[in-house]
Amino acid sequence: DQQVKQNSPSLSVQEGRISILNCDYTNSMFDYFLWYKKYPAEGPTFLISISSIKDKNEDGRFTVFLNKSAKHLSLHIVPSQPGDSAVYFCAASSDGSNTGKLIFGQGTTLQVKP
Amino acid sequence: EAQVTQNPRYLITVTGKKLTVTCSQNMNHEYMSWYRQDPGLGLRQIYYSMNVEVTDKGDVPEGYKVSRKEKRNFPLILESPSPNQTSLYFCASSPYYHPDSGVTYEQYFGPGTRLTVT
Repeated sequence: DQQVKQNSPSLSVQEGRISILNCDYTNSMFDYFLWYKKYPAEGPTFLISISSIKDKNEDGRFTVFLNKSAKHLSLHIVPSQPGDSAVYFCAASSDGSNTGKLIFGQGTTLQVKP
Repeated sequence: EAQVTQNPRYLITVTGKKLTVTCSQNMNHEYMSWYRQDPGLGLRQIYYSMNVEVTDKGDVPEGYKVSRKEKRNFPLILESPSPNQTSLYFCASSPYYHPDSGVTYEQYFGPGTRLTVT
């Protein structure tokens, strides 16, 4: 059972516009969420995270929003740049697991067109 | 440079021929983990290690073994590879984790090893 879901396999946006990547989760015990970016032939790299005590976290052009009641988080990239074209994974974890384990979504491929 | 390295980066092998994928990190991290990435399934954890000589199964451990004899290295062993183990493999590490002080969730990933088993 997929506990973390990214229902959009791909997203295409124009340079300068906003990119919104979505992620849904089913486990209400998750209390920490992360976004990773992955370029071809490279490993995922950490982008931004959010704790469940917050509903928003910003880092430059990247903002993550968390809606706990809907079990939904989203990553906003404003403005989008061609270099943002990559696969984006959301991941979740919970203190209760005591393993440091991350559960990943399937990934969304973002293409930013010049 | 702080990094996680994996070798080999690409490997084509035949069913049943034992292989080892090495993973090494130079950040003195306690926690290390192996994932496989398959289309439509994202990253799934194979095994993890919270410290030297401490390893545990992840979500998809069947057909794999690991060892953690020293902090920096965490090799992944396929004793008898099969075609369903054809995948993209990632090793990851994370800073010290202590259950009393809280979990560190951010993991640093290696570049990946693309394995094909025929």
